[in-house]
Amino acid sequence: SQTIHQWPATLVQPVGSPLSLECTVEGTSNPNLYWYRQAAGRGLQLLFYSVGIGQISSEVPQNLSASRPQDRQFILSSKKLLLSDSGFYLCALRDPSSGNTIYFGEGSWLTVV
Amino acid sequence: AQRVTQPEKLLSVFKGAPVELKCNYSYSGSPELFWYVQYSRQRLQLLLRHISRESIKGFTADLNKGETSFHLKKPFAQEEDSAMYYCALSHSSASKIIFGSGTRLSIRP
Repeated sequence: SQTIHQWPATLVQPVGSPLSLECTVEGTSNPNLYWYRQAAGRGLQLLFYSVGIGQISSEVPQNLSASRPQDRQFILSSKKLLLSDSGFYLCALRDPSSGNTIYFGEGSWLTVV
Repeated sequence: AQRVTQPEKLLSVFKGAPVELKCNYSYSGSPELFWYVQYSRQRLQLLLRHISRESIKGFTADLNKGETSFHLKKPFAQEEDSAMYYCALSHSSASKIIFGSGTRLSIRP
C-alpha cells in the first residue's frame, strides 16, 4: 500500500527565511503528487500538483514554489517566507492505477514569526 | 471553472438525530465526487466516493446532477462522527482535485 512521509512535522521560521518541506512516497510508481494548504475557515487549498518528474502545475500565484526532482519526491519551497505563509501543509498522492482516490500525509505545521 | 461549495462551516446535532452535510459543485463535464473526513489528531482519509455507491460508517451520498449536489447523510448521528468533513471534486481523466472549505460536524450527547 502507498505511504506518504512528510518532514519536518513542525517548523518555526522567521520572516524572510527560506523554506523547504519535503514529501516522499512509497509503494507506488508514477503517482500524481499534490501540495495543499489547510487553513482554518478556508478549507483545503490546492497549491501545486505534479503528474511526473519535473512537471509542476501551480494553482495559486504566491510566494511558494514546488519541484519534483524524482518520481517519489515532491518539495515545497520558498526563498523568503511571509507571515501569511503560516499554515498546515499537506502532501497527497494519487495512484492512477488504483482509481482516483487520493491519500494524504500527516502534514507539516509551519509558523512564520 | 471547477468549484466546490460547502455552505456550513459548523454543524451541530444531537446524538441519534439525522445529519446532512451539504455540498454543491460547479463543473461543466462529468465530475467524480468524494467525501473526505478528518478525525481529531488523524490524517485526512477517504470516506466515500460517488461511483462506489457505498455506505461507510452509516454515511451515504448521492450525486444529483440536476441540482449539482453531493450531500452527505446519515440517519442517526453518533458521537464518534464528530470530525471535519470535506467534499472534493475531480474529473475522471484530469489530475486536479479540489476541495470545499469543509464542515465541522459536532455531535452533542
